[in-house]
Amino acid sequence: GNSVTQMEGPVTLSEEAFLTINCTYTATGYPSLFWYVQYPGEGLQLLLKATKADDKGSNKGFEATYRKETTSFHLEKGSVQVSDSAVYFCALYAGSARQLTFGSGTQLTVLP
Amino acid sequence: EPEVTQTPSHQVTQMGQEVILRCVPISNHLYFYWYRQILGQKVEFLVSFYNNEISEKSEIFDDQFSVERPDGSNFTLKIRSTKLEDSAMYFCASTRTGGYETQYFGPGTRLLVL
Repeated sequence: GNSVTQMEGPVTLSEEAFLTINCTYTATGYPSLFWYVQYPGEGLQLLLKATKADDKGSNKGFEATYRKETTSFHLEKGSVQVSDSAVYFCALYAGSARQLTFGSGTQLTVLP
Repeated sequence: EPEVTQTPSHQVTQMGQEVILRCVPISNHLYFYWYRQILGQKVEFLVSFYNNEISEKSEIFDDQFSVERPDGSNFTLKIRSTKLEDSAMYFCASTRTGGYETQYFGPGTRLLVL
């Protein structure tokens, strides 16, 4: 079946530090890949997505590249801000399953 | 910007009671989903719904669960006889065309079963 393995947290960084959250996946077929973010007290918001190999999704300074050869979709940001503190979820959608499969989430805390 | 809304935001119930969680998907969306997240665990798919019937359901979605679109705007999840292990955050999501399109999530309902 489909699965997403995500870097365990929590992750604590200082403001302006570089962020990487690792995500690898197992899927049948050709999944679309997503990063969702959950700010405190809020629901899941789409951060970025990529629908095919070598696509790069980007939003709000975050980037992730769909790497089919390594089955990965790592999230990066060059300089994090306190306002980036949230839980980040990697997810995939594969047509065979017709549902989103999520990773376990990574709690990020950015300190001023 | 249109958004998915959910009510209530929090619900506390006694074991064995019925609960109904409500969602208002984005107005021109046609595909609806429920997911849940037990505290500290992954977000898990429960069910998808299209054209007034269930499209897919997970093993979690047993006979205690049901979904309904009672009118043109609401989408509900009913748990017939709640168990302690049903305590979780329940998320509703919707998409316009289904498939690989982005799913838009509501803020969730935190259910606590005592």
